[in-house]
Amino acid sequence: QVQLMQSGAEVKKPGASVKVSCKASGYSFTNNAMHWLRQAPGQRLEWMGWINPGNGNTKYSQKFQGRVTITRDTSASTAYMELSSITSEDTAVYFCARGPSPTAMLTFDYWGQGTLVTVSS
Amino acid sequence: QSVLTQPPSASGTPGQRVTISCSGTRSNIGGNTVNWYQQLPGTAPKLLIYTNNQRPSGVPDRFSGSKSGTSASLAISGLQSEDEADYYCAAWDDSLHGPLFGGGTKLTVL
Repeated sequence: QVQLMQSGAEVKKPGASVKVSCKASGYSFTNNAMHWLRQAPGQRLEWMGWINPGNGNTKYSQKFQGRVTITRDTSASTAYMELSSITSEDTAVYFCARGPSPTAMLTFDYWGQGTLVTVSS
Repeated sequence: QSVLTQPPSASGTPGQRVTISCSGTRSNIGGNTVNWYQQLPGTAPKLLIYTNNQRPSGVPDRFSGSKSGTSASLAISGLQSEDEADYYCAAWDDSLHGPLFGGGTKLTVL
């Protein structure tokens, strides 16, 4: 069965960077898009960006452009999301989510369990 | 500003039919398809409806979606206690060049 297993909760200081991983299993990693989204407390879901694991192409939300980097390690079937220069406004649960095809951009058919990132001095 | 607007809350009694609306603009719902996600407390969202009205395998036919112009709706018939959750609409936004989510509707089963 398809599973996306994310890394554990993080506590970071303002100005630092945070890197979250998402290990995929149960399907061919390079055949499906991988997206990253976040949900701040009491806020709506926000799409941050995505990667085509097959060729490494990425696209980022304008809001996070310049601060977010999404990468993948095909040998480990793992995607990564790194967010830099973080502030308290980046405190949120971060999700990875799979697209049903390599370039699927709106439909997220499987989700990771979420990783809580807390930014606090 | 690109926004999808949902009512913050909705409620119904077991067995009832409830509808949740999602209002957008020509740059999102008006020109693109709509998906709906269900988020149970403390869990990740789950795909409920895609391409306006399609149900993934395993989603009961009590859930249905529709779209007209710049608005979309999710209907839940035969309401059950386990339907108590947050529901989010989502659509591609041509101005943002990315997916846009509604603010979510918290459904309470009385």
